[in-house]
Amino acid sequence: QVQLVESGGGVVQPGRSLRLTCAASGFIFSHYGIHWVRQAPGKGLEWVAVISSDGNKKYYAESVKGRVSIFRDNSKNTVYLHMNRLRVEDTAVYYCARARGANEKGYFASWGQGTLVTVSS
Amino acid sequence: QSVLTQAPSASGTPGQRVTISCSGSSSNIGNNTVNWYQQVPGMAPKVFIYRDNQRPSGVPERFSGSKSGTSASLAISGLQSEDEADYYCATWDDSLNGWVFGGGTELTVL
Repeated sequence: QVQLVESGGGVVQPGRSLRLTCAASGFIFSHYGIHWVRQAPGKGLEWVAVISSDGNKKYYAESVKGRVSIFRDNSKNTVYLHMNRLRVEDTAVYYCARARGANEKGYFASWGQGTLVTVSS
Repeated sequence: QSVLTQAPSASGTPGQRVTISCSGSSSNIGNNTVNWYQQVPGMAPKVFIYRDNQRPSGVPERFSGSKSGTSASLAISGLQSEDEADYYCATWDDSLNGWVFGGGTELTVL
């Protein structure tokens, strides 16, 4: 079945960088878009970014635009989220989610269990 | 402040019907389909309604979705204790060129 496993979270100082990884299995990875969604402690869900199935289209939330980049390697069934100039308010559990379909407008059909990023000095 | 507006809480007794609303605008709900997610505390979210009113396999029939204009609703009939969770609406926003969520509604079964 569909499986998404996030990794790369941890404690990082403000201003530093971090790379999150989403490893996928159980489906034809190159056919689906992939989202990142985050949830700050005790808060609601916030969409972060999406990449289309072929990697050619990428969209970002205003709150992370210019600091975050999303990439994918279809040969490794993996999506990456590069986060730069991290802020305290980036502290959250980061989930990757498989889109329903190939493009950015596919809803979040399947979710991983998340990885916690804590930005603190 | 979320782009989509949801009441922060809702409640009902077992067997009751409860409705959770989600209000948006012409650039999001008014022009795109709405999806609803259930999140049990400590767990990842799970899609419960997609494309306004479609139920994934495994989601009980007592969950239903509807949309009218720039508002959407999730209805739960025959409320059960296992339905206690947070519920979020989400859709694409044409102006923001991105996805937007409601702030979430915490459902309590009394």
